[in-house]
Amino acid sequence: GENVEQHPSTLSVQEGDSAVIKCTYSDSASNYFPWYKQELGKRPQLIIDIRSNVGEKKDQRIAVTLNKTAKHFSLHITETQPEDSAVYFCAAFPGVLGQNFVFGPGTRLSVLP
Amino acid sequence: DADVTQTPRNRITKTGKRIMLECSQTKGHDRMYWYRQDPGLGLRLIYYSFDVKDINKGEISDGYSVSRQAQAKFSLSLESAIPNQTALYFCATSDSGPGGANGYTFGSGTRLTVV
Repeated sequence: GENVEQHPSTLSVQEGDSAVIKCTYSDSASNYFPWYKQELGKRPQLIIDIRSNVGEKKDQRIAVTLNKTAKHFSLHITETQPEDSAVYFCAAFPGVLGQNFVFGPGTRLSVLP
Repeated sequence: DADVTQTPRNRITKTGKRIMLECSQTKGHDRMYWYRQDPGLGLRLIYYSFDVKDINKGEISDGYSVSRQAQAKFSLSLESAIPNQTALYFCATSDSGPGGANGYTFGSGTRLTVV
């Protein structure tokens, strides 16, 4: 079955710098890759996603890139702000509608003032 | 706004007690899920349901059971609670549109403590 790894587990950046979180997946049939942000004490919320027919997607300060050959996808946050501090989860959908998302273990991002 | 609602938000229960966590949604999604979150272990799937007559075990279903009472309602039960079931529990929903899978909508979570 699908396995998703996520690195780093913790990341500290200075306010205004960029942050990059990388995930790798094992199942080449996976075709949908969402990213979730979970602020302290709150529910995970979808912030951006990408499908396997697209290499990059941007939404203001966040972007996701997908390399299907290498089976990895990354979240990029530019001009980080304190409110970006949270735990970020990546996930992969195995490409068969009878199956479920597989989540990465999460990255705790701290944006230092 | 269409949403996913979990009750209770917090619960403390004693070892051996049976407890039910409830989830209801107004998003019209056909798929519902229960996840458990422990510090450092991310989100682990307990049970999931693709429609009212469909129930499936996830990776950590032992000690839990579920009921899909309606398209909008999915309950999780701990038959005999034990301390290592202390965790944050999330319900989630999703649909299966023509473009394939879409992202989850999570409920606000239930923090369960078993003493």
